[in-house]
Amino acid sequence: KNEVEQSPQNLTAQEGEFITINCSYSVGISALHWLQQHPGGGIVSLFMLSSGKKKHGRLIATINIQEKHSSLHITASHPRDSAVYICAVTDWGADGLTFGKGTHLIIQP
Amino acid sequence: DGGITQSPKYLFRKEGQNVTLSCEQNLNHDAMYWYRQDPGQGLRLIYYSQIVNDFQKGDIAEGYSVSREKKESFPLTVTSAQKNPTAFYLCASSLSSYNSPLHFGNGTRLTVT
Repeated sequence: KNEVEQSPQNLTAQEGEFITINCSYSVGISALHWLQQHPGGGIVSLFMLSSGKKKHGRLIATINIQEKHSSLHITASHPRDSAVYICAVTDWGADGLTFGKGTHLIIQP
Repeated sequence: DGGITQSPKYLFRKEGQNVTLSCEQNLNHDAMYWYRQDPGQGLRLIYYSQIVNDFQKGDIAEGYSVSREKKESFPLTVTSAQKNPTAFYLCASSLSSYNSPLHFGNGTRLTVT
């Protein structure tokens, strides 16, 4: 079973800073997901990627399959970006995802 | 708007009682999932269903049961056999069970005393 590690566990930054959250996994995967969980608990899917890079607004997700590593970047961070960001992977042929423990991000004004 | 509805948001039960958490989706998704979230841990899969009238155990199915009688509905029953039922429960769905983006409900926080 895959092991998913995220770093850092907690991150506090000032508004406007460039944010990077990292995710590594132990076994080859078919896809990697980045999710956002707000204080109320609901989760939103940000990206699903299997190679390369995806961009949506101020969010950028990259993945390096050879190194088994992905990063989520937030440009021009804003207090509304404060949330828990969760990395999850789909193993080949598996149903369901394996989740990291999440990165708790706080953006201070 | 399409989405997933979980109800209720908060649920309180006495130890020894079974309780059923509701999950409804109008996204026409085939696959549905139940996850459990505990502080400091990643989400863990309880049960999943790829089609109507079929479901499989996830990593932590003991003490839980599900049904999938309709495509739109995937209720989860937390039985008295579940040793530590207090947790945050999330329902999710996807178009298919393999490599499709997940859509999540807003969760149900269950407290058993």
